[in-house]
Amino acid sequence: AQSVTQLGSHVSVSEGALVLLRCNYSSSVPPYLFWYVQYPNQGLQLLLKYTSAATLVKGINGFEAEFKKSETSFHLTKPSAHMSDAAEYFCAVSRGTGGFKTIFGAGTRLFVKA
Amino acid sequence: EAGVAQSPRYKIIEKRQSVAFWCNPISGHATLYWYQQILGQGPKLLIQFQNNGVVDDSQLPKDRFSAERLKGVDSTLKIQPAKLEDSAVYLCASSLAGLSDTQYFGPGTRLTVL
Repeated sequence: AQSVTQLGSHVSVSEGALVLLRCNYSSSVPPYLFWYVQYPNQGLQLLLKYTSAATLVKGINGFEAEFKKSETSFHLTKPSAHMSDAAEYFCAVSRGTGGFKTIFGAGTRLFVKA
Repeated sequence: EAGVAQSPRYKIIEKRQSVAFWCNPISGHATLYWYQQILGQGPKLLIQFQNNGVVDDSQLPKDRFSAERLKGVDSTLKIQPAKLEDSAVYLCASSLAGLSDTQYFGPGTRLTVL
């Protein structure tokens, strides 16, 4: 069965600094991987997804993530943080043995300091 | 395009009472998901429908939770009787069909059990 681990429940960066949110997954078959964002008082929305095409995936708002099979990772990055990036970010994996189930990580809350 | 609709947005009940949540997915979306999101955690899949049929309900506490999707469109999630630990946000999401498709989330229903 698949699982997701997000390292760091809270990450704080300065405006303009690099954003790096970590996600590691386990799956016995090639996974589908997603990053969703939840802004305060809003529903979850998709940032980007990997579905076995290009390993470097670009998403909305300048975010990107790289699928690294050897490291079982799908870390989310953005070169320069903006105040509006403050939100909760969730990594998710679907497609695995034991069922067709989407598993979400516990989430990482991103704080952006002025 | 209308998004995923959920109602009510907020519900407060006492333990041992029953409660029902309603979800209307995006038109044409075959797959519908119900998630439970406890404060500080990622969404946990409760049940997944593909049209009228249940794809996965392995994490649904079937002694107290039930869900149905009539005519492959709207869905209702019920809790009877509620426990204190059911306090959470209940999220409904829909997608076109497969596991690689983006899930579109509704605003959620915040349930407080006293």
